[in-house]
Amino acid sequence: AQTVTQSQPEMSVQEAETVTLSCTYDTSESDYYLFWYKQPPSRQMILVIRQEAYKQQNATENRFSVNFQKAAKSFSLKISDSQLGDAAMYFCAYRSPIYGGSQGNLIFGKGTKLSVKP
Amino acid sequence: DSGVTQTPKHLITATGQRVTLRCSPRSGDLSVYWYQQSLDQGLQFLIQYYNGEERAKGNILERFSAQQFPDLHSELNLSSLELGDSALYFCASSVSAGASYEQYFGPGTRLTVT
Repeated sequence: AQTVTQSQPEMSVQEAETVTLSCTYDTSESDYYLFWYKQPPSRQMILVIRQEAYKQQNATENRFSVNFQKAAKSFSLKISDSQLGDAAMYFCAYRSPIYGGSQGNLIFGKGTKLSVKP
Repeated sequence: DSGVTQTPKHLITATGQRVTLRCSPRSGDLSVYWYQQSLDQGLQFLIQYYNGEERAKGNILERFSAQQFPDLHSELNLSSLELGDSALYFCASSVSAGASYEQYFGPGTRLTVT
């Protein structure tokens, strides 16, 4: 079964600085999808960025970018020019393209709580 | 606002009781997913429906059941509630059931079992 590990329970960054959140995963599949979700205090789950495993190019969405290392099974999130509104829980998630059972649906890490200092 | 609605926002009930959580997907979305977020287990996939039919099951207890109606809204039924069922229950929807389609989450229902 696939697993997702976020080894940093909490992180802190100064406003306007850059921070990187780590995520590793375990899978025997060659084709899959990876996501970062943001959960602010409102508890709403917000999709930040996605990466298809077959794409070598790292995904970028404005101030958010990923470093996808397929061989190392690593998928880190970099937040540039951090803003106070970035303070939230961040979840890394894996999705298999295979249907059946729990496969094909999102498997989440435990999350990293990001604090942004003014 | 994701376009996915969930009711109620909060629910407080006693052990042994039964509750129903409701989810309306985004307009045009055929697939609905239910997730549970608890302090102990984190975020876990429970069950998925596509166009009225069950498509995939995750770590869903036998005391829990769900269905998707012809108008595509979905309900999650939780019975014989235990203290450990206290959690945030999310519904998510996507256009189709394929893995390439993004899931959009509702605001969640906070269930407290006393």
